[in-house]
Amino acid sequence: ETGVTQTPRHLVMGMTNKKSLKCEQHLGHNAMYWYKQSAKKPLELMFVYSLEERVENNSVPSRFSPECPNSSHLFLHLHTLQPEDSALYLCASSIWGQGEETQYFGPGTRLLVL
Amino acid sequence: GQSLEQPSEVTAVEGAIVQINCTYQTSGFYGLSWYQQHDGGAPTFLSYNGLDGLEETGRFSSFLSRSDSYGYLLLQELQMKDSASYFCAVRDNQAGTALIFGKGTTLSVSS
Repeated sequence: ETGVTQTPRHLVMGMTNKKSLKCEQHLGHNAMYWYKQSAKKPLELMFVYSLEERVENNSVPSRFSPECPNSSHLFLHLHTLQPEDSALYLCASSIWGQGEETQYFGPGTRLLVL
Repeated sequence: GQSLEQPSEVTAVEGAIVQINCTYQTSGFYGLSWYQQHDGGAPTFLSYNGLDGLEETGRFSSFLSRSDSYGYLLLQELQMKDSASYFCAVRDNQAGTALIFGKGTTLSVSS
């Protein structure tokens, strides 16, 4: 596989469930990102990892918990979510510190919280 | 803080030229990027302007004026497949290296 992949592509969960989203990049990048995309809203940055260390956390609720075990893999652990958390969750990767900072996005996980 | 403004919707016909504007406010500025996102798809990188002026890539061009905190994406010889959302994004070097995205402009191209 090439590029950035995400699994699952679709997820329906109840508010008491625990689930995880997975992202994998095959581009040799050293930075990975989680974004949330809701209807009529801009892409919202949630977490940034550079060299497997978290460098930004944009005040995301603790019910979202990221994990970056290595430079190729990124997880987003979900627990006790709310219906307003229903959205498209996008993963991206880039080469950290490169001027252009082009980000390559995965296809996203469309999450529905009931 | 940072903010970006771009029109929410633009409509055009095949073969036409359309310009999507983006104004931004940041505490620091590194560059302006443009991304395209088709319905149900992932955002994909289109262009980047780090310096003032015009960058051309095929039918698409992007312009930046740092003194005016303004840029635009120009799409020429529009095709139906250009119907998508277009996002401008800035890398604010005082807020970290991550990108801040605008709300996006939905372009609808008709025949």
